[in-house]
Order: sequence, then C-alpha cells, then structure tokens
Amino acid sequence: DAKTTQPPSMDCAEGRAANLPCNHSTISGNEYVYWYRQIHSQGPQYIIHGLKNNETNEMASLIITEDRKSSTLILPHATLRDTAVYYCIVREISSGSARQLTFGSGTQLTVLP
Amino acid sequence: DSGVTQTPKHLITATGQRVTLRCSPRSGDLSVYWYQQSLDQGLQFLIQYYNGEERAKGNILERFSAQQFPDLHSELNLSSLELGDSALYFCASSVVDRQTYGYTFGSGTRLTVV
Repeated sequence: DAKTTQPPSMDCAEGRAANLPCNHSTISGNEYVYWYRQIHSQGPQYIIHGLKNNETNEMASLIITEDRKSSTLILPHATLRDTAVYYCIVREISSGSARQLTFGSGTQLTVLP
Repeated sequence: DSGVTQTPKHLITATGQRVTLRCSPRSGDLSVYWYQQSLDQGLQFLIQYYNGEERAKGNILERFSAQQFPDLHSELNLSSLELGDSALYFCASSVVDRQTYGYTFGSGTRLTVV
C-alpha cells in the first residue's frame, strides 16, 4: 500500500470548515483513499473513501487531485465533537478476503470553541 | 453501536497471567482483524481471520494467539503477560466484497497489566 503523509496536528474554529490534507504521491491506479477518525480511545470510525472522483457523504467531502497524488478531507462545519485523530489510508480493494488497514500517525484535529 | 461487540471492556490482570479477549463481528462480515494500540501509540495490526482461517499476520508476539470460530466470533489469547502488553485492543470486521468500503471497529478492550 502506498505511504501517506499528514500534518501531525491542526486546529479549527468551531463552525468553520476543517480541511485536512494528505499526500500520497506513490499511489497506484487501483488504490483507493480512505479516511478514518478516532475519537479519544474509541474505535476508529469510517468517514469516506474515493478512487479519483470527489466524494461527499453526510459526514464529509473528499477532494482528490487530478493526478491523485494528494487529497483533502473537508468537514464543512466542524463541531467540538469532531476533535479526533484523522487517518488517511491508501489501499487496494482486491477480491477475496479484504486485507488489513495500515494506520499511520494521522492528524490530530482540535476544534476550538 | 457499531455492530462489532468486544468483551470485556476493561480487564486488569497481573504479570504472567493469561487473558482472552472476545470479538463478535458485524452480522454478515467474514473477516475479523485485531489491532493493538499502546498508550500514545498508533494502531498496530496483529492478525486477520477470514471465515475461520488465518489470513494475515502483523506484529503479533508469539505469546499471543487468535482463532475464529464457526459462528465467526473471534478470540485473542494473550499469555505470559508483561507490563508492556497494557494497551487498547480493537477488533474490526469487514464484508468481503470488491466494493467494500467499511471496516467496522468495536469499542475495544482496555487491558491493564499490573
């Protein structure tokens, strides 16, 4: 799986958009970009994933650059409950048993009141 | 409730002892993954089972073992426990499907070795 690089920490004001960047310059054509988050000591929570098109769901939006070497997770209106470590993970979806997710260090997002 | 159930939520035991952590995957999920997260550390993949068979191994110590039963629940056995084994242990499950997007995690078991 391709390596990802994320800033170790970011702050965001409550109610503003939080934009979390991720660099994955060695991503290959059949690898997806996944975002998970982990609120303190809880189990990681799936947020969103994408291949090359921008994606949006009820939690967030995922913007992937045209060359797919980087992406941005956008939380449109951050709340205090969005304070968490956010993980950007690149992996291939293959047939058969799904392979494990490999977590990096992630970005600690702190939403400030 | 994520649909993945882990028991117990908390466990305190002494060094040298053996414990068993249990995980019930989300209904319909065939794969179970175990992760360890030590204090202020990242999530380390330990082992994966798929439909009862071991499928992948990560940084799992020889003192640790796991299995997945016919009803698909899984158990992680930790023996000869050391202080350094104190950690959160998470179980996750997934659907085996090309379009799969979700790995669902349980709320974890906090193990404290004293």
